[in-house]
Amino acid sequence: KAGVTQTPRYLIKTRGQQVTLSCSPISGHRSVSWYQQTPGQGLQFLFEYFSETQRNKGNFPGRFSGRQFSNSRSEMNVSTLELGDSALYLCASSGLGQGYNEQFFGPGTRLTVL
Amino acid sequence: AQKITQTQPGMFVQEKEAVTLDCTYDTSDQSYGLFWYKQPSSGEMIFLIYQGSYDEQNATEGRYSLNFQKARKSANLVISASQLGDSAMYFCAMREGFYGNNRLAFGKGNQVVVIP
Repeated sequence: KAGVTQTPRYLIKTRGQQVTLSCSPISGHRSVSWYQQTPGQGLQFLFEYFSETQRNKGNFPGRFSGRQFSNSRSEMNVSTLELGDSALYLCASSGLGQGYNEQFFGPGTRLTVL
Repeated sequence: AQKITQTQPGMFVQEKEAVTLDCTYDTSDQSYGLFWYKQPSSGEMIFLIYQGSYDEQNATEGRYSLNFQKARKSANLVISASQLGDSAMYFCAMREGFYGNNRLAFGKGNQVVVIP
């Protein structure tokens, strides 16, 4: 089985711009979660999508949004970028049944905001 | 309040030795799951091991084992026979509840460097 893929792997943007990151989960997985990792705050949960619905949401401003498509692929969008949004953005996919207790992460998208 | 606490400073471990990474957690839920992930310098999070709150036996996956002490709210990771490729950051994480929630709370991580 192919793993979780994230595109792009690296991104450089300037303040005020917006960005869209993409995550393709493992085939058959319907849950996709997004995390932000920074040196100062560590790994923080952004949101989770399951069957095209946002199921859980972390404590991030409304500039951070996401969606999930019928094929379970997910995108997250950050509008009006700030310097503090520079981070590694990781997505994780999770299935049901035997795979439920495992959350597999993608390689991440490293976003730099200048 | 922090849900996952990992307080050990960076560790140097001799190759082929065992290493224990400490993790304590805080939850009022009866149903929860505990995870350990490895993150090498490349950045990818690699799933290592999972322990459910109702699992009576400690989880094991190859060279990884989880020392689960529920009363103490402790879930320490033991890596046996360390290898150079084990050099990485290690994160403990918790999911509260079983169904309808895949939200993980992570600790700050433990840096491990394996030396030959």
